[in-house]
Amino acid sequence: QKEVEQNSGPLSVPEGAIASLNCTYSDRVSQSFFWYRQYSGKSPELIMSIYSNGDKEDGRFTAQLNKASQYVSLLIRDSQPSDSATYLCAVVSWEGNEKLTFGTGTRLTIIP
Amino acid sequence: DAGVTQSPTHLIKTRGQQVTLRCSPKSGHDTVSWYQQALGQGPQFIFQYYEEEERQRGNFPDRFSGHQFPNYSSELNVNALLLGDSALYLCASSLDQGNEQFFGPGTRLTVL
Repeated sequence: QKEVEQNSGPLSVPEGAIASLNCTYSDRVSQSFFWYRQYSGKSPELIMSIYSNGDKEDGRFTAQLNKASQYVSLLIRDSQPSDSATYLCAVVSWEGNEKLTFGTGTRLTIIP
Repeated sequence: DAGVTQSPTHLIKTRGQQVTLRCSPKSGHDTVSWYQQALGQGPQFIFQYYEEEERQRGNFPDRFSGHQFPNYSSELNVNALLLGDSALYLCASSLDQGNEQFFGPGTRLTVL
């Protein structure tokens, strides 16, 4: 089982709709969770971090964390064509560990 | 506020050669991590430097080595290059124990 799993997609969502991206992780003691956006040919850009159970909202983005289910998600409201990118889920497994463990990413396409 | 910078942008080497990649962290950050990203994959952790010491290392051979300077900038060295070393090399900086890591633009290494 991979440490961090994401559906590779592609995920196609109409413009203006909600895009839902999911990520599961295997290490139950994981502490910190991050979502990065990566445009083709570019480097990852941090868009959300979440550390405790529940929802965290930032503009059109909402991150949701459920540690009991070992599940983290990212919702993008009012999706725009500029949201088309690969979204990478990353996890820090234990306190004092600084290593980010990434999933393979979900490719999202917003259809105008 | 200067972000993370990396040089060079692109590099072409042949098998067996050695390469040095450079990174300057975001202003105020003291920790530098290096990642390798193959096409279609998430970044893989190589190692992290803090206070000029390698603090943590991923599953990469000893051909991969690094250094951090007193001004927090860092170098990644790869010896005896293999075709499989062709990838995007990413530097990320963070504030110690802060967990949030911010990536530079990357160096695209091609080994022929």
